[in-house]
Amino acid sequence: DTGVSQNPRHKITKRGQNVTFRCDPISEHNRLYWYRQTLGQGPEFLTYFQNEAQLEKSRLLSDRFSAERPKGSFSTLEIQRTEQGDSAMYLCASSLQDGLTPYQETQYFGPGTRLLVL
Amino acid sequence: AQTVTQSQPEMSVQEAETVTLSCTYDTSENNYYLFWYKQPPSRQMILVIRQEAYKQQNATENRFSVNFQKAAKSFSLKISDSQLGDTAMYFCAFMKITGTASKLTFGTGTRLQVTL
Repeated sequence: DTGVSQNPRHKITKRGQNVTFRCDPISEHNRLYWYRQTLGQGPEFLTYFQNEAQLEKSRLLSDRFSAERPKGSFSTLEIQRTEQGDSAMYLCASSLQDGLTPYQETQYFGPGTRLLVL
Repeated sequence: AQTVTQSQPEMSVQEAETVTLSCTYDTSENNYYLFWYKQPPSRQMILVIRQEAYKQQNATENRFSVNFQKAAKSFSLKISDSQLGDTAMYFCAFMKITGTASKLTFGTGTRLQVTL
């Protein structure tokens, strides 16, 4: 078990460009979450997947944001036409919801991708 | 909607001393989880401790313990015998128990500095 990994760790881009981040969850974890953390704030929920199905999206997730989790394994988060306000740390977390112990769910976080839009 | 408030932006404690971080939350739910996560400088967030709202007994994990007051909607974290490695941002988080969504709602964090 190598934990949740995210790539790249840092990304600098110019306004208007598209960026894509990748998250590899802990193996066998069926739930995957994306959060955004701006400076001085706690993480804010963006979206989450159960297996390959995207089950909830936050109002923070504008039309320029899209997330996928093909085959229920890794996930990608794409931001199109980036804006300076998109500059933040993008965190991925995964958890196991086995249906047998519905109240036993802990989310494990990756190191994050820090995005800077110039 | 749930809200989580951490009223202490920064705190400092000397090594080996005890410190308590405060957290209050607002919810109309009866069943939920509460968490404390630690985010060391430039490192990933890790779980410190978890409390199930239906359990009256306060959770403990080695040097970390919580004081969970459900009626007051308060969930403080006590760190005993503080160590330099405890220096980090600490986030209190709320999770509503539902059949599907299990997103975390975080507070704004408390920056803890452990000094010699």
